Amino acid sequence: KAGVTQTPRYLIKTRGQQVTLSCSPISGHRSVSWYQQTPGQGLQFLFEYFSETQRNKGNFPGRFSGRQFSNSRSEMNVSTLELGDSALYLCASSLLSGSSYNEQFFGPGTRLTVL
Amino acid sequence: QKEVEQNSGPLSVPEGAIASLNCTYSDRGSQSFFWYRQYSGKSPELIMFIYSNGDKEDGRFTAQLNKASQYVSLLIRDSQPSDSATYLCAVKSQADRGSTLGRLYFGRGTQLTVWP
Repeated sequence: KAGVTQTPRYLIKTRGQQVTLSCSPISGHRSVSWYQQTPGQGLQFLFEYFSETQRNKGNFPGRFSGRQFSNSRSEMNVSTLELGDSALYLCASSLLSGSSYNEQFFGPGTRLTVL
Repeated sequence: QKEVEQNSGPLSVPEGAIASLNCTYSDRGSQSFFWYRQYSGKSPELIMFIYSNGDKEDGRFTAQLNKASQYVSLLIRDSQPSDSATYLCAVKSQADRGSTLGRLYFGRGTQLTVWP
């Protein structure tokens, strides 16, 4: 069974630009969560999607948004990029949403560099 | 604010030794606990999960959970140089008015080095 895939793997953007990242979950998984990982803050939760609906949102500004499609694939968008948005963006896939007894599996991540 | 704390590293052990990684969490409503391994430049890989008090063993790995003490640990027996990585503790809380569905709270990680 294929794992979580994320595209692109690497991105270089300049301040003020916008970026869209894509995530395809494990086949059969319907929940997708996004995390940002930086050396200073560690792993921080961005949002979770299930059945095309955002179920939960972390403490990030409105420049960060996302969506989920009917095939469970998800995209996240960051508008008006800032230097501090440079990070590894990780997508995690799980079978269900909201269940405590439910493992999340991470994709390889997208390394975003903002110049 | 739900806090997850891990013992500060780095932790260095010789090959063949037992590596002990510790994690405490602040939210008593936490239901499930996960250990991820992250190699440098790679994404986190799930290696263990535990939901009930006590020990759970999987090969060389043993996860231990004590909900009363809000403490979870990971033991790695017969440590190998290939175990050298950062180990992340993650906690999932019971849904609280729909605000914590699916969210994992991560510790900052403990860097483990196993030397030959």
